[in-house]
Amino acid sequence: QKEVEQNSGPLSVPEGAIASLNCTYSDRGSQSFFWYRQYSGKSPELIMFIYSNGDKEDGRFTAQLNKASQYVSLLIRDSQPSDSATYLCAVRNTGTASKLTFGTGTRLQVTL
Amino acid sequence: EAQVTQNPRYLITVTGKKLTVTCSQNMNHEYMSWYRQDPGLGLRQIYYSMNVEVTDKGDVPEGYKVSRKEKRNFPLILESPSPNQTSLYFCASRPTPGLSYNEQFFGPGTRLTVL
Repeated sequence: QKEVEQNSGPLSVPEGAIASLNCTYSDRGSQSFFWYRQYSGKSPELIMFIYSNGDKEDGRFTAQLNKASQYVSLLIRDSQPSDSATYLCAVRNTGTASKLTFGTGTRLQVTL
Repeated sequence: EAQVTQNPRYLITVTGKKLTVTCSQNMNHEYMSWYRQDPGLGLRQIYYSMNVEVTDKGDVPEGYKVSRKEKRNFPLILESPSPNQTSLYFCASRPTPGLSYNEQFFGPGTRLTVL
């Protein structure tokens, strides 16, 4: 079992719709969770982080965390063509190294 | 401007020819790391450094070396590159390793091709 799992996609949604991206993780000791957006050939950029159960909203983005189910998701409301990218879920556990483990990413396509 | 820089951005080389990819950050971050990104495999950590003179292996360290003689620099060294090291490489940095919510900043990436 991979430490952080994501559906590779592509996930295709029409412009203006809600895109829902999901991620599961295996380490119950994981403490904080990150969503990065990566355009093709570019470096990942942080969109959201969350470390408490529940929802966290920032503009059109909402991160949802359920530690009991080991599940984290990202909702993108009013999707725009510029949201088309690969979204990487990353999980950090406790410990001195505080390693960040990435999923393989979900490719999102927002269609006109 | 706060940033992580990498050089070169693109490199084509041949098997066995030693190369170094430089990484530098201007944010006074303690923690730096190197990743490689391959299709279907995602970002995998090669090496990381908690501070000056403190380095450790990540998930895929074979064939790579690093050093951390100064806080701002963390070069990645391929002593004898092989074709399976053809990849997109990212350097990253963040402050204070113990605080789990600190944002990690990525460099622009280095696309390496080993023939």
